[in-house]
Amino acid sequence: EPEVTQTPSHQVTQMGQEVILRCVPISNHLYFYWYRQILGQKVEFLVSFYNNEISEKSEIFDDQFSVERPDGSNFTLKIRSTKLEDSAMYFCASNSGSLGEQYFGPGTRLTVT
Amino acid sequence: AQSVAQPEDQVNVAEGNPLTVKCTYSVSGNPYLFWYVQYPNRGLQFLLKYITGDNLVKGSYGFEAEFNKSQTSFHLKKPSALVSDSALYFCAVRDINFGNEKLTFGTGTRLTIIP
Repeated sequence: EPEVTQTPSHQVTQMGQEVILRCVPISNHLYFYWYRQILGQKVEFLVSFYNNEISEKSEIFDDQFSVERPDGSNFTLKIRSTKLEDSAMYFCASNSGSLGEQYFGPGTRLTVT
Repeated sequence: AQSVAQPEDQVNVAEGNPLTVKCTYSVSGNPYLFWYVQYPNRGLQFLLKYITGDNLVKGSYGFEAEFNKSQTSFHLKKPSALVSDSALYFCAVRDINFGNEKLTFGTGTRLTIIP
């Protein structure tokens, strides 16, 4: 069964550094998403991406964040200058149509020290 | 704005007994409702969804959920719990209006099935 994959599984970085989180969505999916889950809290929407542009973003997704689909398979989330409060589990998701259920990857745990 | 409430942080059920995990929602338009399950160190796994039609929807692993529009609820149920059902369960909602694709999640309910 096809699945969403994410790398790395765990990333440790120092405050102020740039990080890129990578995702490979399911191959025939057209809509892509990033969510995050701070430890012990609920899953929060960050951004949705369709047709090579952002279709919706949350208040969390400020100028420090960006997304890109650099080729036909990868979908990346970049944080330009990480803060301590960016420490969280970041989930990528994809679906085939805007009404389809979203399929989530296993997540990348980002630890900012 | 859309929101989800899961009033119980923790639910304990004896193996073999029926289980219910509660969820209520709020959206401005028509709701599109989901249940996801999260096992330790894993991502979110889709269980079931409601878009329209029959108020009782069936999903993976014997789970079902009942949509109740008047009570704005979408409770997750299973007739007979298994120890392997122990996990964190999230209810999610989105407004079915086109362009609003984000899922809004509840805070999660930790389900523990006691052998």
